[in-house]
Amino acid sequence: GIQVEQSPPDLILQEGANSTLRCNFSDSVNNLQWFHQNPWGQLINLFYIPSGTKQNGRLSATTVATERYSLLYISSSQTTDSGVYFCAALYGGATNKLIFGTGTLLAVQP
Amino acid sequence: EAQVTQNPRYLITVTGKKLTVTCSQNMNHEYMSWYRQDPGLGLRQIYYSMNVEVTDKGDVPEGYKVSRKEKRNFPLILESPSPNQTSLYFCASSLSGPGGYTFGSGTRLTVV
Repeated sequence: GIQVEQSPPDLILQEGANSTLRCNFSDSVNNLQWFHQNPWGQLINLFYIPSGTKQNGRLSATTVATERYSLLYISSSQTTDSGVYFCAALYGGATNKLIFGTGTLLAVQP
Repeated sequence: EAQVTQNPRYLITVTGKKLTVTCSQNMNHEYMSWYRQDPGLGLRQIYYSMNVEVTDKGDVPEGYKVSRKEKRNFPLILESPSPNQTSLYFCASSLSGPGGYTFGSGTRLTVV
């Protein structure tokens, strides 16, 4: 099955700083998503991005499917950006299962 | 608003007392799934459903049941909960074709 690895595992930022989170996957994928799990445990869908680049406010994501990686950029970070960021790839076939990476724990300090 | 709604958000129960966690989506998605999230183990799929009356086991189905009688609803049933089912549970839905998954807000279950 697909292996999904994320780096770095932990990240501490001062408010206003920029950061890049990386997701590597072991096989070609039809679906690559980024999620933010906030301190209350909710999984918020950030991007559906099997390829190309998308932007949403201070966040943007790029997936290079041919090289099997995706990047999540956070600019001008805020304390509300704190939490765990997951990328997830779709494992095809009958199960239609999302394979999650181990996550990046982000703490933004004021 | 397009969403997946889970209830309850928090539940504390005792071993052996049957419970149901409800999940409903308003996006006309064919595919629905349940995951559990545990420290050190990440998110694991419990059951999934490709469409009405079509369900199948995921990676960790033991101790759980599901049903899909209507397209919008996919309840998770614990017939006899045990403490090892204490976890954070998520319901998710998606179209059967290309497109992202939408997750519910989660249900934090504690079995004592």
